[in-house]
Amino acid sequence: AQSVTQPDIHITVSEGASLELRCNYSYGATPYLFWYVQSPGQGLQLLLKYFSGDTLVQGIKGFEAEFKRSQSSFNLRKPSVHWSDAAEYFCAVGGDKLIFGTGTRLQVFP
Amino acid sequence: DTGVSQNPRHKITKRGQNVTFRCDPISEHNRLYWYRQTLGQGPEFLTYFQNEAQLEKSRLLSDRFSAERPKGSFSTLEIQRTEQGDSAMYLCASSQGLAGVDTQYFGPGTRLTVL
Repeated sequence: AQSVTQPDIHITVSEGASLELRCNYSYGATPYLFWYVQSPGQGLQLLLKYFSGDTLVQGIKGFEAEFKRSQSSFNLRKPSVHWSDAAEYFCAVGGDKLIFGTGTRLQVFP
Repeated sequence: DTGVSQNPRHKITKRGQNVTFRCDPISEHNRLYWYRQTLGQGPEFLTYFQNEAQLEKSRLLSDRFSAERPKGSFSTLEIQRTEQGDSAMYLCASSQGLAGVDTQYFGPGTRLTVL
């Protein structure tokens, strides 16, 4: 069955610290992978996507993610977190029908 | 490019009433998608359109749910005889509809509360 697992429901980091949000997927074909961010009262904003090619992809707001086929993972990273990064982060896989994980809520302390 | 818009942003209704939500996609986007997001969960795919053709509707939650995109532009999602379990955020997304996979851009959502 196709699925996405985000093992961390809630993560708290200090401003300026590095961040890694985990995402594991199960998908029968070549996966198309996405990370979206959702702030309160806002829609989902695309951070980055992987379709093919270089397995390290750069996104907006200083985020990057690395596709590791052997581990079925697509973890999101940022070297230095800003207070404005506090939000809910969703990993998704698929084509026409996106399958989302349950999300990771990021809290940033000053 | 004004982004995907959804109306209303909030809807409160009584159980048993019908509700209709509207989604206006990014102009010139051929594909339009509907998702539902309940508290603490990620969005769940419901249905999508390529222009005016509804390509997938098996994921609509019950026969009380229906969606239309009559002229290939805006779309409506209707829920008949609402139930408390229908309370959720309903998200719309659009994409260019290029061959293969393209990127879905989401609207702000319509939050439905069924009393």
